[in-house]
Amino acid sequence: DVKVTQSSRYLVKRTGEKVFLECVQDMDHENMFWYRQDPGLGLRLIYFSYDVKMKEKGDIPEGYSVSREKKERFSLILESASTNQTSMYLCASSFAKGAYSYEQYFGPGTRLTVT
Amino acid sequence: AQSVTQLDSHVSVSEGTPVLLRCNYSSSYSPSLFWYVQHPNKGLQLLLKYTSAATLVKGINGFEAEFKKSETSFHLTKPSAHMSDAAEYFCVVSPLRGSSNTGKLIFGQGTTLQVKP
Repeated sequence: DVKVTQSSRYLVKRTGEKVFLECVQDMDHENMFWYRQDPGLGLRLIYFSYDVKMKEKGDIPEGYSVSREKKERFSLILESASTNQTSMYLCASSFAKGAYSYEQYFGPGTRLTVT
Repeated sequence: AQSVTQLDSHVSVSEGTPVLLRCNYSSSYSPSLFWYVQHPNKGLQLLLKYTSAATLVKGINGFEAEFKKSETSFHLTKPSAHMSDAAEYFCVVSPLRGSSNTGKLIFGQGTTLQVKP
């Protein structure tokens, strides 16, 4: 079974703090993704990575950065947390072969509250 | 450009009755399509996927979906709802990979399924 794990299920941080969310997958997937999910807005892609040290901006990258030093690990960084970054954060991974995008496998999510 | 539309934001059924969650897609080619389920405060779980083999796809927990190219639809069904089916469901389309998408998927806005006892 594919397993995607996230470092925390629940996190509470103060405004201005630097926040690290970590994601690890065990299926040797090339692609990894970070989404945030908010009521009424669905899933929105923050950043994705298609290889080690490679990254591309998604739809809402402002206020975030990412790091992928090893194939299995993809970190999301909030340089200076703000209250509007309170959200559910989901990590996912997938293979990268063929003409179509493969299904993504998701972690359990991290519910981040910034006060 | 590819897109996906879930026609109902909220569906309510009684336990033991059929479930129908509707999804239409827009694509200039025959895409890969997926349905995911998300229970409260959990991640998304793959229910089933269509990848141009059989048009009727069976998934986990008794769900199935039928790909209808003429109608550009991929509706999710289950003959008999169970209380544990209450969750949010996402219809997802896979665009052709290229330098601009590299594995990205396009998610519908979701349909919340309520199951009444």
